[in-house]
Amino acid sequence: KAGVTQTPRYLIKTRGQQVTLSCSPISGHRSVSWYQQTPGQGLQFLFEYFSETQRNKGNFPGRFSGRQFSNSRSEMNVSTLELGDSALYLCASSSGNSPLHFGNGTRLTVT
Amino acid sequence: EDQVTQSPEALRLQEGESSSLNCSYTVSGLRGLFWYRQDPGKGPEFLFTLYSAGEEKEKERLKATLTKKESFLHITAPKPEDSATYLCAVQAVLHGGSQGNLIFGKGTKLSVKP
Repeated sequence: KAGVTQTPRYLIKTRGQQVTLSCSPISGHRSVSWYQQTPGQGLQFLFEYFSETQRNKGNFPGRFSGRQFSNSRSEMNVSTLELGDSALYLCASSSGNSPLHFGNGTRLTVT
Repeated sequence: EDQVTQSPEALRLQEGESSSLNCSYTVSGLRGLFWYRQDPGKGPEFLFTLYSAGEEKEKERLKATLTKKESFLHITAPKPEDSATYLCAVQAVLHGGSQGNLIFGKGTKLSVKP
């Protein structure tokens, strides 16, 4: 069974630009969550989607948004990038009461 | 506020030298406590879920235990391939019985030297 796939693996953007990250969950998983990982703060929850609806949201500014499609694939968007947005962005999927299964992330560098 | 604290931040062991990692937590209502392993450049890999105090789970050289305030990850006779960052996370039960997101600790970086 294929795992969670995130694209692209690496991104370099300039301050003020926007970026879209993509996540394909494990087949059959309907819940997709996004986390930001930095050396200082560790993993922090961004949001969770289930059946195309945002079910839960973390404490991040409105520049961070996401969506989920009918095939459970998800995207997250960050607008007006800041230097502090440089991080590893992790997507995870789950089904029912199963634990989260993570992808290998997208490494975003903002210059 | 729900919180997870892991100690130590880093741990260096010789191959075969057993030790334990600690995860202290405060949560309004615990649905589950999770252990993950993360290798450099990769996403966290699921290891265990513990649901109630007194529960234990084992996998190869790893054993996870849970009390009402903390969890331990015991590593018996570690090998160099056990080197990784180990992450602990809790999930709370929300109002209405729904489940919250995972709240992670900052991890313990384990190095095992041959």
